[in-house]
Amino acid sequence: DAKTTQPNSMESNEEEPVHLPCNHSTISGTDYIHWYRQLPSQGPEYVIHGLTSNVNNRMASLAIAEDRKSSTLILHRATLRDAAVYYCILKESGGGADGLTFGKGTHLIIQP
Amino acid sequence: NAGVTQTPKFQVLKTGQSMTLQCAQDMNHEYMSWYRQDPGMGLRLIHYSVGAGITDQGEVPNGYNVSRSTTEDFPLRLLSAAPSQTSVYFCASSQVTTRNNEKLFFGSGTQLSVL
Repeated sequence: DAKTTQPNSMESNEEEPVHLPCNHSTISGTDYIHWYRQLPSQGPEYVIHGLTSNVNNRMASLAIAEDRKSSTLILHRATLRDAAVYYCILKESGGGADGLTFGKGTHLIIQP
Repeated sequence: NAGVTQTPKFQVLKTGQSMTLQCAQDMNHEYMSWYRQDPGMGLRLIHYSVGAGITDQGEVPNGYNVSRSTTEDFPLRLLSAAPSQTSVYFCASSQVTTRNNEKLFFGSGTQLSVL
């Protein structure tokens, strides 16, 4: 899977929007961009994924750059429960059975 | 909805002991996998299975065995535990393997300490 680059940590205030960036300059044309998050002492949970167009769901929005070399996960109104490690992952075309490659992710800190 | 269930939640072993970490899913998923997570690190794939009777190695398979006799269960066996296997273990499943837009469902993890 192609490599992604994320900041080690970010801090935000409760009830404010959060923009988590991810760079993936070596992305191929058919790689999907996945985001997972891991709350303290829990397994990772799926957040959102996309290919080219921006995506919205009940948890977050995913904004994908036109050249697809970067993306941003947007939490529209952060709560204390959103404090977690957020992973940006590329999944190559064809799926493959070798799972997802998790980097160290971004540790999101939410201040009350 | 149970989803992916892992047992036990915590385990302490002595070096050389054997044990099996259990993983079960009730979503009729074809694909199941095991990851380990060391402190401050991302997850690394140990073994995976694309269906009953089929298993394969991931990034860090040494010291671990798996089998997949049913769709629901995917146990991970440590034959002779070593301190280097102290970690948190996560089981994950997904419906199919052939699409790169499939999402993984994770269990809550097993924290293993080998003394």
